Amino acid sequence: NAGVTQTPKFRILKIGQSMTLQCTQDMNHNYMYWYRQDPGMGLKLIYYSVGAGITDKGEVPNGYNVSRSTTEDFPLRLELAAPSQTSVYFCASSLIQRYSSERLFFGSGTQLSVL
Amino acid sequence: KQEVTQIPAALSVPEGENLVLNCSFTDSAIYNLQWFRQDPGKGLTSLLLIQSSQREQTSGRLNASLDKSSGRSTLYIAASQPGDSATYLCAVAQGGSEKLVFGKGMKLTVNP
Repeated sequence: NAGVTQTPKFRILKIGQSMTLQCTQDMNHNYMYWYRQDPGMGLKLIYYSVGAGITDKGEVPNGYNVSRSTTEDFPLRLELAAPSQTSVYFCASSLIQRYSSERLFFGSGTQLSVL
Repeated sequence: KQEVTQIPAALSVPEGENLVLNCSFTDSAIYNLQWFRQDPGKGLTSLLLIQSSQREQTSGRLNASLDKSSGRSTLYIAASQPGDSATYLCAVAQGGSEKLVFGKGMKLTVNP
């Protein structure tokens, strides 16, 4: 059982380049999330999805885009990379049903540097 | 706006001590609260989830309690071991929201 898989693990971008961070989960979870973690700042929610075809903004969505065409996949797109986007990115998923929820499962993260 | 606070930011203890980690939140209308562990360079692992209707959850040497009215949760670690060294984060799911709000975490070091 792979859980939540993120690729790549590390990436260096030049300012203005674009890239897609991949995330896939094999637990049939309906909710998926993208967070960024900056040193000493905790985790900030970028975007989330409550199911295929449905996405919504989190706290810090500027500079990012997402799509959710399948239950399994939730890629995060950076269109014009900026130094402020240097961070560690985590994808997560959960099964949330009416009146109950399960634990949040995280991927191992993508360390991104924009130079 | 929900705010989650973990104090202190770091703690260093000798092996064998029983530990209490604190988490406070400003809005008591939460759906659930989770405690996570993060090892350096790794993702977060959910340790315990407490639903809003529950008072505590236990897993092995870990026990988490929740007091919604006072906006507090504690994570109790019994007989700490060097392998418990990690950063511990708490997060609350706001009632009516699918989004978790995280604390900044507490870095725990257990010395042999």
